[in-house]
Amino acid sequence: GQNIDQPTEMTATEGAIVQINCTYQTSGFNGLFWYQQHAGEAPTFLSYNVLDGLEEKGRFSSFLSRSKGYSYLLLKELQMKDSASYLCAVRDSNYQLIWGAGTKLIIKP
Amino acid sequence: GAVVSQHPSRVICKSGTSVKIECRSLDFQATTMFWYRQFPKKSLMLMATSNEGSKATYEQGVEKDKFLINHASLTLSTLTVTSAHPEDSSFYICSPGQGAGTDTQYFGPGTRLTVL
Repeated sequence: GQNIDQPTEMTATEGAIVQINCTYQTSGFNGLFWYQQHAGEAPTFLSYNVLDGLEEKGRFSSFLSRSKGYSYLLLKELQMKDSASYLCAVRDSNYQLIWGAGTKLIIKP
Repeated sequence: GAVVSQHPSRVICKSGTSVKIECRSLDFQATTMFWYRQFPKKSLMLMATSNEGSKATYEQGVEKDKFLINHASLTLSTLTVTSAHPEDSSFYICSPGQGAGTDTQYFGPGTRLTVL
């Protein structure tokens, strides 16, 4: 079966750095996405990785290792508004998105 | 990025009634529309994939006669929850397909359905 694993919840301090990990086992791979979702809202796109390595976009970076079936989202200089759920999703061989359950990130002052 | 709208954003209805949710892609033509459902503190769950001008494809466990999907044009897809029950209360989100190889997947703002 297809499976995406990410921690259920993480806590970090304002101004610090946090890394959210995602491991996956899917039938085929056509890219990995990270989304941010605030409570009661739809997900918003953060990043896309299809090749190995690090993609940096401002305070957010995403890393992919296809051989290890592993990705992480790195958030720097955390702000209170970064408190949200972070969803990892993999596009499989049928170009269908397979979703992780999301990681709830709690930022403390 | 792509602009996707959904209407209504919130709806409260009585058990047994039907509710229609509209999803519009405002700045591009969507031949495919994905419909998701999300229960509180749960991940997004794909319900069905609609294709413009043809029948939708439903995921296992999703009743096609209960969740009617119409994709009559390249900019509009609708999801109708028929004879709604309290267990259908959920957050429904549409997402237009942008083709293989595209580097993102945008979502509508979602519709919060509460069935009393």
